[in-house]
Amino acid sequence: ETGVTQSPTHLIKTRGQQVTLRCSSQSGHNTVSWYQQALGQGPQFIFQYYREEENGRGNFPPRFSGLQFPNYSSELNVNALELDDSALYLCASSPGQGLMTDTQYFGPGTRLTVL
Amino acid sequence: ELKVEQNPLFLSMQEGKNYTIYCNYSTTSDRLYWYRQDPGKSLESLFVLLSNGAVKQEGRLMASLDTKARLSTLHITAAVHDLSATYFCAVVTTGKSTFGDGTTLTVKP
Repeated sequence: ETGVTQSPTHLIKTRGQQVTLRCSSQSGHNTVSWYQQALGQGPQFIFQYYREEENGRGNFPPRFSGLQFPNYSSELNVNALELDDSALYLCASSPGQGLMTDTQYFGPGTRLTVL
Repeated sequence: ELKVEQNPLFLSMQEGKNYTIYCNYSTTSDRLYWYRQDPGKSLESLFVLLSNGAVKQEGRLMASLDTKARLSTLHITAAVHDLSATYFCAVVTTGKSTFGDGTTLTVKP
């Protein structure tokens, strides 16, 4: 148990729809990162938030956006869903600033299927 | 663009044997992580390596980092079935984290 929770566990959407995924970090963890993991591949870094501001982003289009709240929760929003967005979405929290931290604690993930 | 390559991608080994997984990366990195992922589960942090020559060990796993060669290794000693999983290395550069494709390890009796 890492103390990081995600909801929902599974989600089915259709192409073109919008989705919001949620993550609750450990108390005191000011950094949250989001990853997309397609089946059989390594996680791909989407973006990272530190103290409610985005401070790092991978190669994902603007239709992937996020929010981080003062209560250590965060959201990943994806607009105009495409079939290739089907994946496991992982959030990870850490106590340090940004990715310069000893350990990231991963949540169990949300499995998104786009039909 | 940073590239992270792991090899082998698949590894089947017998219990009691030793083996090494390699992680090569293409640019200067701030730090390197190793993770374990069991089927259908999330990622578990194993090691973080911060500097050239860093070595960390936990049980039958030992990780090392050579920043000059841009190479990290994960060495498995006397493998047991419980080590069967997929192992990822991840390299951190300014503001980004890049994962390798993973090494799926199967340990057979």
